[in-house]
Parts: sequence; structure tokens; C-alpha cells
Amino acid sequence: AQSVSQHNHHVILSEAASLELGCNYSYGGTVNLFWYVQYPGQHLQLLLKYFSGDPLVKGIKGFEAEFIKSKFSFNLRKPSVQWSDTAEYFCAVNGGGNDMRFGAGTRLTVKP
Amino acid sequence: NAGVMQNPRHLVRRRGQEARLRCSPMKGHSHVYWYRQLPEEGLKFMVYLQKENIIDESGMPKERFSAEFPKEGPSILRIQQVVRGDSAAYFCASSPGSDYGYTFGSGTRLTVV
Repeated sequence: AQSVSQHNHHVILSEAASLELGCNYSYGGTVNLFWYVQYPGQHLQLLLKYFSGDPLVKGIKGFEAEFIKSKFSFNLRKPSVQWSDTAEYFCAVNGGGNDMRFGAGTRLTVKP
Repeated sequence: NAGVMQNPRHLVRRRGQEARLRCSPMKGHSHVYWYRQLPEEGLKFMVYLQKENIIDESGMPKERFSAEFPKEGPSILRIQQVVRGDSAAYFCASSPGSDYGYTFGSGTRLTVV
């Protein structure tokens, strides 16, 4: 069964700091990978997705993620965070099966 | 083009009552997914449905929980005889197919008192 691990439960950064959130998955076949963001009190919104092609994926709001197949990883990055990036971030994997599995989430707090 | 519509946004039930949560997928989306979000636990998959069919219910508790997606009307997540531990946010998502990203609804926050 596919599973997703997010290494950091809570990350606290100052504005302008660089961000990297880890995501590893376990699945033997071809995968589609996603990062979602959930702002306080809101529903999940898609940040970016990887299906195939260039493993470096650009998303909205300056986020990007890199798919490293050999490491089963899809880490999320942003060179300079803003206070408005405070949210919970979820990595998700769809292994071509019937459903998407989510990681437990990483709560990002950006201090102004 | 309305997104995924969930109602009610907030639902309060006493222990032992039934809770019915509704989800209308985006227009053109025939795949519906239900997730439960507990504090500090992230999103847990519950069930995946297509019209009139349950495709995968491996995340559903064996008792008291059921889901349907009829030919006409919204998908319904039904919780019978609710208990305090059922208090959570329940999110519905839809997609046009299993290999696409999902669009999420705003969720229903169930509180059992």
C-alpha cells in the first residue's frame, strides 16, 4: 500500500528565510505527486503537481518541488517565505490507483 | 463554475444521533473522495466513490459509517449513532478521473456534544 511521510511536524521560520519541506513516499510503480496548502480555517488548495517530464515543478506563489525518483522524494521549496505563507502543507501521492494518500502535514509558521 | 460544495459547514450532534454530510462535486467530475481531518493528524482517506459505486472504502470504519453517491444528487457521508470521537473536519474532493489532482470542498466541521 502506498504511504507518504512528511518529516517535519512544525516548522518555524522568519520572513525571507528559505524553506524546504520534506516528503517521502513508498510505492513501487509510477506515481503522481502533489503538494496542497491549507490556510487557517480554509480548505485545501493545490500548490503544484508532478505527473511526468521535468522533475523540477514550479507551482503558485513561488513554490517549487523536485521529484527525485531514486530517493522516493518530492520536497517542497521556496527561496524566501512571507508571513502569508503561514499554513499547513500536505504532500500527497496517487499511485495510479483509486485514491490519493496524504502525509500528516507540516505546519509552517512564518514570523514577521 | 462552482467548486466542490459541501454542506453544512458546521454540524452539531448529540451522542447517539445521526450525522449526514453532503458533497456536490464540481461539474464534470464523476469521482468523489471523502477525507477526515483530526487535529494534529492530517488527512485520512475514508472512501472513494463514482456514480452509484463504492470503489474503495478501505479507510471507512467498519461500523456506523456509510457513503453513497447516487445517480442523481450529492454524495452523502452518513454517520450513525455518533460518538465524541467522530468530531472532526470532513472534507470531500472531486476529480474528473483517478489520475488527476483533486478539488476540495470547504469541509464540514462535525462537533459531537
